[in-house]
Amino acid sequence: KQEVTQIPAALSVPEGENLVLNCSFTDSAIYNLQWFRQDPGKGLTSLLLIQSSQREQTSGRLNASLDKSSGRSTLYIAASQPGDSATYLCAVRRGNNRLAFGKGNQVVVIP
Amino acid sequence: GAVVSQHPSRVICKSGTSVKIECRSLDFQATTMFWYRQFPKQSLMLMATSNEGSKATYEQGVEKDKFLINHASLTLSTLTVTSAHPEDSSFYICSAGRQGSGTEAFFGQGTRLTVV
Repeated sequence: KQEVTQIPAALSVPEGENLVLNCSFTDSAIYNLQWFRQDPGKGLTSLLLIQSSQREQTSGRLNASLDKSSGRSTLYIAASQPGDSATYLCAVRRGNNRLAFGKGNQVVVIP
Repeated sequence: GAVVSQHPSRVICKSGTSVKIECRSLDFQATTMFWYRQFPKQSLMLMATSNEGSKATYEQGVEKDKFLINHASLTLSTLTVTSAHPEDSSFYICSAGRQGSGTEAFFGQGTRLTVV
């Protein structure tokens, strides 16, 4: 069974600092990995999708890396802003087309 | 990115009644949609896989007679919570994947169901 762990569960950083969010998964046989953002009471917004053959993806201030062999992904958010405050979810897609989610990293960026 | 629309965003219903939640893919066709349930500060729990034109596949422990899923077209899946009870109160989210996008998942806005 695929288990996804996100550390830390919650963190607060001052505005302008870089954010580093970690995701680990137990089964390296994944199809792809996706990072999402979730605001309170809202659905999920896709941030980055990394295929299993890729090492990283970048979009603006966001960069996600993937080390499939060690079962790890890291989401970097450069120069954090108060608007980045949200919960960030990591999900891995397995061969049966199902997503396995972590519990999320709850981020607060302090102005 | 692709757009998945979920409706309603919030619903309050009385115990014993049924509630229908709609999930639409607005700009692509989705042969498969997924329904999740999310508890506070918990990860998303997959409830069932909705397949266009055929029966849904339910995850272990999910009551198929309580959570009815219909996927009658390539752009619409519905989840009906039948004979709702307070313990069914939760946040329900649907997702769909667009073919050719590397199987990227797109999610609806979610539905907050409160059963009183």
